[in-house]
Amino acid sequence: DQQVKQNSPSLSVQEGRISILNCDYTNSMFDYFLWYKKYPAEGPTFLISISSIKDKNEDGRFTVFLNKSAKHLSLHIVPSQPGDSAVYFCAATDTSGTYKYIFGTGTRLKVLA
Amino acid sequence: DAGVIQSPRHEVTEMGQEVTLRCKPISGHNSLFWYRQTMMRGLELLIYFNNNVPIDDSGMPEDRFSAKMPNASFSTLKIQPSEPRDSAVYFCASSFSYSPLHFGNGTRLTVT
Repeated sequence: DQQVKQNSPSLSVQEGRISILNCDYTNSMFDYFLWYKKYPAEGPTFLISISSIKDKNEDGRFTVFLNKSAKHLSLHIVPSQPGDSAVYFCAATDTSGTYKYIFGTGTRLKVLA
Repeated sequence: DAGVIQSPRHEVTEMGQEVTLRCKPISGHNSLFWYRQTMMRGLELLIYFNNNVPIDDSGMPEDRFSAKMPNASFSTLKIQPSEPRDSAVYFCASSFSYSPLHFGNGTRLTVT
């Protein structure tokens, strides 16, 4: 059973526009969420995180929004750049439990120049 | 900081053979995770160690899979015997306490 879901396998966006990547989760115990970016032949790298006590966290061009009632989070990239083309994974964990990180299936973002 | 080091980067083996994947976590990190990446399931957690002790191995698919962490600087994931459906990219990741994970560059396993 997939506890963290990324329902869009791929997304294409024009350079300079906003990219919005979505993630849904089913486990109400999850209280810490992360986004990772992965380039081909490399491991995923940490991008941004958010705790459940917040509904928004910003870092430069990247903003993560959390809607706890809907069990939904999203990553906004503004403006999108060709170097942002990668696979993006969302992950979640329960910090009161074993702290294991559960990842989604990923969304491949392509930013068109 | 050398990062998480995995070896080999690529492994091609025949069905039925034993495969051993290796991982050296970042020095000072006390948690280590093994993940498998497939198209269908994304990054699937196989096993998680904390202070060298296996905490959760519920993701290990079958008895053919085993993992060890004999000390804080080394872990292995073994598949015996290997099958074609084990073909995937296997990632090792480490963290300190509850910080975000740092991943290695993975081992691409092909079982023919």
